[in-house]
Amino acid sequence: DAKTTQPPSMDCAEGRAANLPCNHSTISGNEYVYWYRQIHSQGPQYIIHGLKNNETNEMASLIITEDRKSSTLILPHATLRDTAVYYCIVRPFSMNTGFQKLVFGTGTRLLVSP
Amino acid sequence: DGGITQSPKYLFRKEGQNVTLSCEQNLNHDAMYWYRQDPGQGLRLIYYSQIVNDFQKGDIAEGYSVSREKKESFPLTVTSAQKNPTAFYLCASSISWDQPQHFGDGTRLSIL
Repeated sequence: DAKTTQPPSMDCAEGRAANLPCNHSTISGNEYVYWYRQIHSQGPQYIIHGLKNNETNEMASLIITEDRKSSTLILPHATLRDTAVYYCIVRPFSMNTGFQKLVFGTGTRLLVSP
Repeated sequence: DGGITQSPKYLFRKEGQNVTLSCEQNLNHDAMYWYRQDPGQGLRLIYYSQIVNDFQKGDIAEGYSVSREKKESFPLTVTSAQKNPTAFYLCASSISWDQPQHFGDGTRLSIL
């Protein structure tokens, strides 16, 4: 019951920006967009999340379109260690709805090459 | 160093045996979670706990049990009733249920 669509795989050259798209056309007004990544045989790592404004942290930038139906995760200078599966997840936040689980789809497998 | 520790990294079980997977966190997080991941698939929620002495079933709780007697610990028992226990098990925690979850490095369980 994943509510996002991501390409199954992408390639990126080391040192270049990696732009990972995510489609969430049915997103609701109270749903956040979360990004996680999973390096082989490790647990997922939280990257960033946002509601409607663009967000940036030390790992990445998140660009959300004005209509909120899609977003892009940007790794500005990809390294070999960024090779991983990247998951885009939408999750509602409202104190009235109570606990809402994270729904991990199959993500985008990003391969960063020298 | 703050973090989530899962042990052991690899675990083997004979058929018919119960086995307990450990998860400890020193992040002072209230909420903790257990997920299962099968090859090539996303994570599925087994159990979660929003606060000490309370826990709830996730999507695939059958054949599993948990306890939350201490804030920092959330052990998962895979019972003999779990018909297909071979998987990668991941524990996570968050400050509260609505905040980002942070994961351990997982335990890979195999049946002998």
